[in-house]
Amino acid sequence: AQKITQTQPGMFVQEKEAVTLDCTYDTSDPSYGLFWYKQPSSGEMIFLIYQGSYDQQNATEGRYSLNFQKARKSANLVISASQLGDSAMYFCAMSVNYNQGGKLIFGQGTELSVKP
Amino acid sequence: DADVTQTPRNRITKTGKRIMLECSQTKGHDRMYWYRQDPGLGLRLIYYSFDVKDINKGEISDGYSVSRQAQAKFSLSLESAIPNQTALYFCATSDTSGLVNEQFFGPGTRLTVL
Repeated sequence: AQKITQTQPGMFVQEKEAVTLDCTYDTSDPSYGLFWYKQPSSGEMIFLIYQGSYDQQNATEGRYSLNFQKARKSANLVISASQLGDSAMYFCAMSVNYNQGGKLIFGQGTELSVKP
Repeated sequence: DADVTQTPRNRITKTGKRIMLECSQTKGHDRMYWYRQDPGLGLRLIYYSFDVKDINKGEISDGYSVSRQAQAKFSLSLESAIPNQTALYFCATSDTSGLVNEQFFGPGTRLTVL
């Protein structure tokens, strides 16, 4: 079964510190993509970062990096130098079976709160 | 202007009413999706469409129907709304030109069924 698991319902981090949000996945498809989305309280879904299953290096986008450990089937999001505006829900998602729709499977999300 | 728009943004309706949620995109993408989000459950796929003639059910399609009127328009209908369809609904699009399949989301429609 294809599944995304986020085991941290809520996380707190001090402003300017780094934080890691956990994500593990399960798929038998050798070709897949892993995504992280941010959902602020206003509700919109904001794309943060992508990692392909064949990518050799971990993806980075500004303060966001994805710690991809293929053997462990984990794709943790690392946010460096947290800011108050980082307070939001964060969703890990996996895209599989591209030719059959490429639909995204989402985890349940982690609510991040950044403390001043 | 937003690339993916949804109307209405908020809707309150009564049990048994027919409701249509509309999605339009200016990104020129072939693939369009409808998701619903419930608290604590993340997003779940209702329907997706490869193009105007290709519509597929997602994991929670019961109680919903869709129409792909044009490449840019994908509508979701609740034929007879029930309270447990109260949720946040998202439309998304993606491009078939690559393998990344990043999905671009609309702003969401918050639906309340009384």
